[in-house]
Amino acid sequence: QQQVKQSPQSLIVQKGGISIINCAYENTAFDYFPWYQQFPGKGPALLIAIRPDVSEKKEGRFTISFNKSAKQFSLHIMDSQPGDSATYFCAANYGGAQKLVFGQGTRLTINP
Amino acid sequence: DAGITQSPRHKVTETGTPVTLRCHQTENHRYMYWYRQDPGHGLRLIHYSYGVKDTDKGEVSDGYSVSRSKTEDFLLTLESATSSQTSVYFCAISDQREGELFFGEGSRLTVL
Repeated sequence: QQQVKQSPQSLIVQKGGISIINCAYENTAFDYFPWYQQFPGKGPALLIAIRPDVSEKKEGRFTISFNKSAKQFSLHIMDSQPGDSATYFCAANYGGAQKLVFGQGTRLTINP
Repeated sequence: DAGITQSPRHKVTETGTPVTLRCHQTENHRYMYWYRQDPGHGLRLIHYSYGVKDTDKGEVSDGYSVSRSKTEDFLLTLESATSSQTSVYFCAISDQREGELFFGEGSRLTVL
């Protein structure tokens, strides 16, 4: 019940296309859903986050879509660029960062 | 970038030897965390600290201990390293209980 399941494991998208990464959870107590971006050799960094009181949050080319009834959320990257090539982790949290649960990660490659 | 320094960045050791990884922060953040990152598992919390000498276990704490004698330093110790502890270890900090995590650049540990 504490798991967050992320798919796909890897994704290849052409430059200019839309990248979509999906996550699903079971624990309805989760109330904070961040996405982290990690470049090779670096630590993850917060990209965008959402709380379940909204269905969508957009920051530039990055959008989180949240479906509370389905217990799913997804990251959309519009106009994907080679610089977006990285590993993306979804996560879910309640009651403090020590309870943050990460998905398995998606390695995104944007072909030029 | 958040002022987080992990040392060593790379270490190769043999089974049964003790290993200590150090995380040093210059941000004066209250909360510090140790994660391990393994393919297919995302990031999993090992231990965390919510203040000097205040620590608690995370999801995968067996075989690990931690200490925090100063706000800026959080040590992770493997008393007797095993091959299953071969991983990339990340330190993270945050200044709020549910705040954004800031990650270090990781320490790659190989146990032969």
